[in-house]
Amino acid sequence: GAVVSQHPSRVICKSGTSVKIECRSLDFQATTMFWYRQFPKKSLMLMATSNEGSKATYEQGVEKDKFLINHASLTLSTLTVTSAHPEDSSFYICSARGPSGSQQRETQYFGPGTRLLVL
Amino acid sequence: QKEVEQNSGPLSVPEGAIASLNCTYSDRGSQSFFWYRQYSGKSPELIMFIYSNGDKEDGRFTAQLNKASQYVSLLIRDSQPSDSATYLCAVNGGYQKVTFGIGTKLQVIP
Repeated sequence: GAVVSQHPSRVICKSGTSVKIECRSLDFQATTMFWYRQFPKKSLMLMATSNEGSKATYEQGVEKDKFLINHASLTLSTLTVTSAHPEDSSFYICSARGPSGSQQRETQYFGPGTRLLVL
Repeated sequence: QKEVEQNSGPLSVPEGAIASLNCTYSDRGSQSFFWYRQYSGKSPELIMFIYSNGDKEDGRFTAQLNKASQYVSLLIRDSQPSDSATYLCAVNGGYQKVTFGIGTKLQVIP
């Protein structure tokens, strides 16, 4: 249980285009999902917290107009990198908080990540 | 600001030895603690979580929690080369976002 998928796993795009990344909880409902970014040999950096049915909460320094987050259902959150530039190239990872009412509800389960390369 | 401190390493241990990974946290109200393993180029995967003081064992892994001293550790017995990875400590202070440490890189030498 508590499986999280991400799609696509890898994407290469031209500068100026927008890229959408999907994060799905496959076998449980996730009211809260998180989006992280990780640069090579660096630690995870939380970008935003995505809550189903409400606006995402962005961390300081993260542009909400550039990184659009939508959490329209209990199993799907999307991150759209708008007008991507080479400096946005990174490893984007989502996670979902475990099922409510379970002991795992405070545990984060990570998706496999999406590697974005902007040319 | 809530902090989670880890030594970035690398920590090198010979195959078969015990690897000891340590983590301290600043928020005394933290309630749940997690260890994740992250292989290079991959996303983190949960190894263990611990809520109560003391030890929790799962196979070759033992998590140890001492809330009074605000530290949590992970012991890996009979270390294998496949254990070589970065180990992330994560702390949750309630129904809040989890704070991650920078991770300790473990190298198990054959």
